Amino acid sequence: SQQGEEDPQALSIQEGENATMNCSYKTSINNLQWYRQNSGRGLVHLILIRSNEREKHSGRLRVTLDTSKKSSSLLITASRAADTASYFCAPISETSYDKVIFGPGTSLSVIP
Amino acid sequence: DTAVSQTPKYLVTQMGNDKSIKCEQNLGHDTMYWYKQDSKKFLKIMFSYNNKELIINETVPNRFSPKSPDKAHLNLHINSLELGDSAVYFCASSQGDNQPQHFGDGTRLSIL
Repeated sequence: SQQGEEDPQALSIQEGENATMNCSYKTSINNLQWYRQNSGRGLVHLILIRSNEREKHSGRLRVTLDTSKKSSSLLITASRAADTASYFCAPISETSYDKVIFGPGTSLSVIP
Repeated sequence: DTAVSQTPKYLVTQMGNDKSIKCEQNLGHDTMYWYKQDSKKFLKIMFSYNNKELIINETVPNRFSPKSPDKAHLNLHINSLELGDSAVYFCASSQGDNQPQHFGDGTRLSIL
């Protein structure tokens, strides 16, 4: 199994600022995925980065992956109030059908 | 169109009762999951099915029994409900192993 550990646990920023959250994991991965959860809703997949990739962009999202440090970061640029949510990383093991254990996430508050 | 739908959205019941939660996905995915999210936001996998076959069965009480009549459905039946079962239960699906998961909006179970 593989669990992601997000850091910080909570982050509060002003609208327009950038938000950075980090994820660490323990064993080799096939890929790493980031998810967002709005209050009262299910998780929504944001971006997937493969183990042989170092950086990936999707709109205002930028994800980096450092497999030597077993860490990833998610950067949200020019944040908006609508970005207020919890963010989870999911390191996906190389072992087929190994279970994914989500960490407690980073709770992001974007203040208008 | 809702991709992963769960019913009911809220479930309030007495201790000792038996209840079921239904999940359906219209994405044509092969793999479906059940997760439990506690009050601290930890999302723990309970079961995973691939093409109606049980793949992952985490250490959950025998009172929890998943049933997959076809690959588009994965229902969760819970016998003799206990106070500790109060949580939000999420269904998810993915196209095979290692792929992004699509989540339902959860079923909030409250035991009185």
